[in-house]
Parts: sequence; structure tokens; C-alpha cells
Amino acid sequence: NAGVTQTPKFQVLKTGQSMTLQCAQDMNHNSMYWYRQDPGMGLRLIYYSASEGTTDKGEVPNGYNVSRLNKREFSLRLESAAPSQTSVYFCASIPRTGGNYEQYFGPGTRLTVT
Amino acid sequence: GENVEQHPSTLSVQEGDSAVIKCTYSDSASNYFPWYKQELGKGPQLIIDIRSNVGEKKDQRIAVTLNKTAKHFSLHITETQPEDSAVYFCAASNTNDMRFGAGTRLTVKP
Repeated sequence: NAGVTQTPKFQVLKTGQSMTLQCAQDMNHNSMYWYRQDPGMGLRLIYYSASEGTTDKGEVPNGYNVSRLNKREFSLRLESAAPSQTSVYFCASIPRTGGNYEQYFGPGTRLTVT
Repeated sequence: GENVEQHPSTLSVQEGDSAVIKCTYSDSASNYFPWYKQELGKGPQLIIDIRSNVGEKKDQRIAVTLNKTAKHFSLHITETQPEDSAVYFCAASNTNDMRFGAGTRLTVKP
């Protein structure tokens, strides 16, 4: 199993450009999450998908959109990037079966918006 | 929503000493409390977790304690080793909304 994979690993955007961050998991997990990590602020939830076909806002959803394409894939889109969105983005998934709530994280995407 | 505070933000110990990291949470409905270790350039990885119906859990050199009344929980690492050096995050969760502490950078000096 590859676990949780994210692409790209690094990206530089100019203000106003758009891009989509891709996330996929091969563990048949039900729930998937997008977080951003900024220095001194831990991880903050952007959006999550509790199950295939559903998405919900987290703590910091403004400026982002998501798509749960199928059970494996959950993408995060920045329609018009801003310097405030410079961050490291992590995707995570949870089995949510049998009471297992352990989050499995991907390796992250480091995004810089200039 | 839930608010999680974590202390200290940095911690330096000598190899072989113990390290303690403390977290408090605000939402009494939170029932799942994981601890994650993050090494440089990698995603966080779960090291231990505890549920609200348990007061203490131990896994080799790592232990977590939970005080539901006071709404705080702690991570204890004994006999620290240089490879324990990393950033540690606590979190509190009720169903889908998991909130993380700001992290503690632990340095273990040989």
C-alpha cells in the first residue's frame, strides 16, 4: 500500500493563479481531510469529506473548494491564489470503521504564492 | 468550536531524561485525543491515542494521561533518545472536527 499520496510536492504560484492539489489513498478509508500547516499554528482543517459524496467546511474554508471524486480521491482547489495561502497542505484519511479514528497523513504539498 | 492549547512550544532534554507535554481542550464533547509526531519534511504520524473512557494508556516509553474533569491531557516520554527529536502535536476530536495544538518542538541532546 502506498498509503496517502499527494501531488505536487512543491508549487510556486503567482497571485491570482489557480491550481488543484491532488490527494489519493489506497486504504479504502471512508473519510478524507485537507489541512494547512503554518508556523506556530499547528494544523487547521480546511475541508473534510466524511464519506464519498459528501463534503463539509472546516475551520478555515475561505478561498478553497474541494471535490471528493470517488472513495480514493479528494482534491483541493485554489481558484485565485493569495499570498495568505502560502502554507504546507496535508491530506489525511480515516478508516472510520470499527471505531478506528486514526488519521493517516500524506507527505504534504509546500505551496508558495508570490 | 473546540480550542486546544499546547505547552511548552519548545522543550530541550538530555538523552535519558523524561519529557512531558501538556494540552488543554475546551469542548467537553471531545472524546478522542491523539498525539502525533512530525519529523522534518514529513506528515504527522500517530504515536498514541486515548479515548475519553480511559484515564491512562501506555506503549513502551510513551504514555498519555487524560483528566476529563479538568479537560487536560499529557504526553510522557521516558528514557528519551535522540531519535525522539521532532515536533509533537496533540489533538482533540468529536466525530469529524479534529483540532490540533500548535505543536511542541522536542530536542533530545546526546
